[in-house]
Amino acid sequence: AQSVTQPDIHITVSEGASLELRCNYSYGATPYLFWYVQSPGQGLQLLLKYFSGDTLVQGIKGFEAEFKRSQSSFNLRKPSVHWSDAAEYFCAVGGNQGGKLIFGQGTELSVKP
Amino acid sequence: AAGVIQSPRHLIKEKRETATLKCYPIPRHDTVYWYQQGPGQDPQFLISFYEKMQSDKGSIPDRFSAQQFSDYHSELNMSSLELGDSALYFCASSSLISTGYETQYFGPGTRLLVL
Repeated sequence: AQSVTQPDIHITVSEGASLELRCNYSYGATPYLFWYVQSPGQGLQLLLKYFSGDTLVQGIKGFEAEFKRSQSSFNLRKPSVHWSDAAEYFCAVGGNQGGKLIFGQGTELSVKP
Repeated sequence: AAGVIQSPRHLIKEKRETATLKCYPIPRHDTVYWYQQGPGQDPQFLISFYEKMQSDKGSIPDRFSAQQFSDYHSELNMSSLELGDSALYFCASSSLISTGYETQYFGPGTRLLVL
């Protein structure tokens, strides 16, 4: 079955600290992986994506993610968190057919001053 | 850059009423997706259209229908509304050619409240 798991429902980090949000997927074919961010009451903004090639991908707002096929993981990282990064983060997987995205449950990030 | 447009942004309906949500994809995008996000939930795929034809179907109730028009905009029609239909409804669009394979860009959503 196709699924995405984000083990951490809520994470709190101090401003300026590093951040890692975990994402594990189960997908029968070659996965296309995405991270989206959602501010309260807002839409989903694409942070970054992985299709193929270099397993470390860079995104907007200083985020990066690393694809590890052996661990079925696609963790999101940021070296120094800003207060404006507080939001809900969704990991998603899609395939090369159909295009629908399967989302994880989301991780809510809070940033302490 | 132009983004996905959804209207209305907010909608309040009574039980058993009907609602129509509209989605205008990014120019030159040929594929439209609809997702439903309940309170505190992750987005769930409802249905998608490619070149005006239904391309995939998810957990969309029979009370809902959707279509994509010749100008590529899409409408989600919801009838006999139930309290459980209260959610944020997202539309996303993509294009194999202009945005890269299967990258979906989301609109701001329509927040539907059924009373």
